[in-house]
Amino acid sequence: AQTVTQSQPEMSVQEAETVTLSCTYDTSESDYYLFWYKQPPSRQMILVIRQEAYKQQNATENRFSVNFQKAAKSFSLKISDSQLGDAAMYFCAYRSAIRSQGNLIFGKGTKLSVKP
Amino acid sequence: DGGITQSPKYLFRKEGQNVTLSCEQNLNHDAMYWYRQDPGQGLRLIYYSQIVNDFQKGDIAEGYSVSREKKESFPLTVTSAQKNPTAFYLCASSKPYRGDEQYFGPGTRLTVT
Repeated sequence: AQTVTQSQPEMSVQEAETVTLSCTYDTSESDYYLFWYKQPPSRQMILVIRQEAYKQQNATENRFSVNFQKAAKSFSLKISDSQLGDAAMYFCAYRSAIRSQGNLIFGKGTKLSVKP
Repeated sequence: DGGITQSPKYLFRKEGQNVTLSCEQNLNHDAMYWYRQDPGQGLRLIYYSQIVNDFQKGDIAEGYSVSREKKESFPLTVTSAQKNPTAFYLCASSKPYRGDEQYFGPGTRLTVT
């Protein structure tokens, strides 16, 4: 069974600075997808970024980028120029490429605080 | 606007009562999911359905039941057999294609006393 581990329960960053959230996963599959979701205080889950395992290039979405290390099974999220609105819970998630297993497997989350 | 609706946002029940949480989507997605979120636990899968009239148990299905009679709707019933039902429940949907993101509803906070 696949597992996702987020080793940082809480992180803090100064506004305008850069922060990196860690995520490792365990799987025997070679084809899969990885996601970072943001959950602000409203508790609405919002997709931040997605990475396909077969793509070597790291995904980027504006201020958000990932460092995907397939061999190490690592998938960290870097937030540049942090803003107050980035304060939220961040969840790393894994999804198998097997169609019948389309559910997400989540880590326990990292609570990010942004200091003005 | 397309999206997922969950109602109500807050729900209170007495212990021993069954309660049904609503989830409706107008995104024309085939797959729908129910997750449970507890503090410090992340999200855990309760049930999922990839097609009408078919659904599968997730990791923590005991004490829950679902139905999928329509593509748009995937209600979750929390039965009296669920030993610790107080939690935040999230519904999600996605296309059945590889790697498509899941879209989440706003969630329902269930409190059982």
